[in-house]
Amino acid sequence: GAVVSQHPSRVICKSGTSVKIECRSLDFQATTMFWYRQFPKQSLMLMATSNEGSKATYEQGVEKDKFLINHASLTLSTLTVTSAHPEDSSFYICSAARTGNEQFFGPGTRLTVL
Amino acid sequence: AQSVTQPDIHITVSEGASLELRCNYSYGATPYLFWYVQSPGQGLQLLLKYFSGDTLVQGIKGFEAEFKRSQSSFNLRKPSVHWSDAAEYFCAVGLSGGYNKLIFGAGTRLAVHP
Repeated sequence: GAVVSQHPSRVICKSGTSVKIECRSLDFQATTMFWYRQFPKQSLMLMATSNEGSKATYEQGVEKDKFLINHASLTLSTLTVTSAHPEDSSFYICSAARTGNEQFFGPGTRLTVL
Repeated sequence: AQSVTQPDIHITVSEGASLELRCNYSYGATPYLFWYVQSPGQGLQLLLKYFSGDTLVQGIKGFEAEFKRSQSSFNLRKPSVHWSDAAEYFCAVGLSGGYNKLIFGAGTRLAVHP
C-alpha cells in the first residue's frame, strides 16, 4: 500500500498558541486528503475533507476558523490548530487518496495542549 | 443516522484460538463496509472490504468477514490468532458509495495471550 507520513508525531504546546501538523503522501499523488480526530477509546471522527487546490469541506460541528486546512499540493496537506486550548488535545490522523479510491492513513499526531 | 457499533471494547484470546470481532451498522442504503487494523505507531491498514457480490470476503493476514444484511452485521473472523495480531480493530461504513466519508466504530482492542 501507499505510504502517508505525518509530522510531528507528538507535539506539546501552551494554551493560546497555534500548532501545524503536516500530512504527506510519499509515493502517490493524493487528490483528496482527510483529517480525523480520535479521542481515547473512541472512534475516528472525520473533521474535514480537502481536495487539492480547493477549500476544505468541514463536517458539522467542526470550527473551520479553529482548524485551518490547506491542501496546496498533491502530496501535502496541513492542519493548523489555532489558539489551541486543552480541550483540543487529541490524536489527529490524516489520510490520503486518489479521488474515490482507498484511503491510506498516516500514523497520527498526538497533540497535548497545556 | 448512520452509525457503526462494535460491541466489544476489549477482547483477549489465546494464541492459536479462533477470533470473531463483531460489527453492526446502521445505514439506509447499500453499505460499503471495511475493517481496518491500527497498530501502535502505524497508520490504519485496510484488512478487507465489502462493496457487493459474495458476502464472505477474504482479506490480508488470514482475516475474513461476512456481510449479513438481515442482521446489519459485518463480523471479522480469523481461524487461528497469532501474537502479532494484537492491535486495535476498527469497522467502518463508507457513505456516498465507496471510500469517501468513512464512519468508524469505536474500535475493539485485541490482546493475545501466549
